[in-house]
Amino acid sequence: ETGVTQTPRHLVMGMTNKKSLKCEQHLGHNAMYWYKQSAKKPLELMFVYNFKEQTENNSVPSRFSPECPNSSHLFLHLHTLQPEDSALYLCASSQEGLAGVYEQYFGPGTRLTVT
Amino acid sequence: SQQGEEDPQALSIQEGENATMNCSYKTSINNLQWYRQNSGRGLVHLILIRSNEREKHSGRLRVTLDTSKKSSSLLITASRAADTASYFCATYSSNTGKLIFGQGTTLQVKP
Repeated sequence: ETGVTQTPRHLVMGMTNKKSLKCEQHLGHNAMYWYKQSAKKPLELMFVYNFKEQTENNSVPSRFSPECPNSSHLFLHLHTLQPEDSALYLCASSQEGLAGVYEQYFGPGTRLTVT
Repeated sequence: SQQGEEDPQALSIQEGENATMNCSYKTSINNLQWYRQNSGRGLVHLILIRSNEREKHSGRLRVTLDTSKKSSSLLITASRAADTASYFCATYSSNTGKLIFGQGTTLQVKP
């Protein structure tokens, strides 16, 4: 257990559905991240929240909408997805300081399949 | 362009042997990190080495960093079947403020 939980672990959704992924960290960290991991591709950083403020949006399509209500919770709202959005979605947290980024702690991921 | 690139992409060894994975990167960094991922699971942080460090150990893991060559290596000694996983290097630069992951090396340790 890394102290970062994600739900659901598996999700199958149609292209017209709306669903949300949830992430919770129990480590007292001040930064949270969403990554997308597709087969044969490097891990892609999608969104970064630092002290609940979004500091990074890596040209992610608007069909992905993040929400960070507090420093322990992070959501990824999904709507009208495409089959190519099928992937493993990973949440991570870290403690960021003046010296920069230290190690990140990852959740187990949500395996998303878009049909 | 991708910052960290691992080599080899895949590695298969017998239990008890040592496994060496390499990572090359392009721009200056503040630290380099190695992570492990078991199939379909999240990544687990293994070790962090700062740009002013040359070598670091953690149990059966040894990491080296050569900033002049912009490369790092991860050595796993006396490998076990449980070490079977994908291993990723990730580089952090304060210039970008980002942690960038490579594509990973898939290690298979045969019992």
